[in-house]
Amino acid sequence: GAGVSQSPSNKVTEKGKDVELRCDPISGHTALYWYRQSLGQGLEFLIYFQGNSAPDKSGLPSDRFSAERTGGSVSTLTIQRTQQEDSAVYLCASSPRGGSTDTQYFGPGTRLTVL
Amino acid sequence: AQSVTQPDIHITVSEGASLELRCNYSYGATPYLFWYVQSPGQGLQLLLKYFSGDTLVQGIKGFEAEFKRSQSSFNLRKPSVHWSDAAEYFCAVGDSSYKLIFGSGTRLLVRP
Repeated sequence: GAGVSQSPSNKVTEKGKDVELRCDPISGHTALYWYRQSLGQGLEFLIYFQGNSAPDKSGLPSDRFSAERTGGSVSTLTIQRTQQEDSAVYLCASSPRGGSTDTQYFGPGTRLTVL
Repeated sequence: AQSVTQPDIHITVSEGASLELRCNYSYGATPYLFWYVQSPGQGLQLLLKYFSGDTLVQGIKGFEAEFKRSQSSFNLRKPSVHWSDAAEYFCAVGDSSYKLIFGSGTRLLVRP
């Protein structure tokens, strides 16, 4: 079946602009995750959605970052007033149930460049 | 707090040679351990995972990893590397919730 898809694959924006990144999880997966991968770094957890529960936003680096998940499926990560340090690859993952032993399935990522 | 260390930023091996990628973790309880591979322009793909039981775990693409509690390690191995294995490899540890803590990755280069 189809895997996790993300759009756009690449986004170049100017400092101060807002951007929206989209994630389509695997159908039927109740858990959805966003990670950030900066150059030469591992993946940094940003936010977690599980069903209708309140999301875990503990990894969001500032209040310029927000995310929502509509209808328990598609998710959008929004970065307001982008800064150069926001340049990174943003990865989305989904998993069937969201438990500690769940396998997370990753999308190809969105490469964000802030000029 | 949990952490994962991958001490090798880059490793170069010849095609057909054996491979070992190191991973050390810090976690108070029994960890859930994962190895992922990321090819250029691709998302991360799970190679293998360890939760409990047999400490030698077999994964896809001929990879295996051994959990050694005494050394807090979960090293990834492959007996004979293929050119298509060139990629970046990430070790991760999961806690009792859903969060994964990733290492900074090891980039594998394969010499023909």
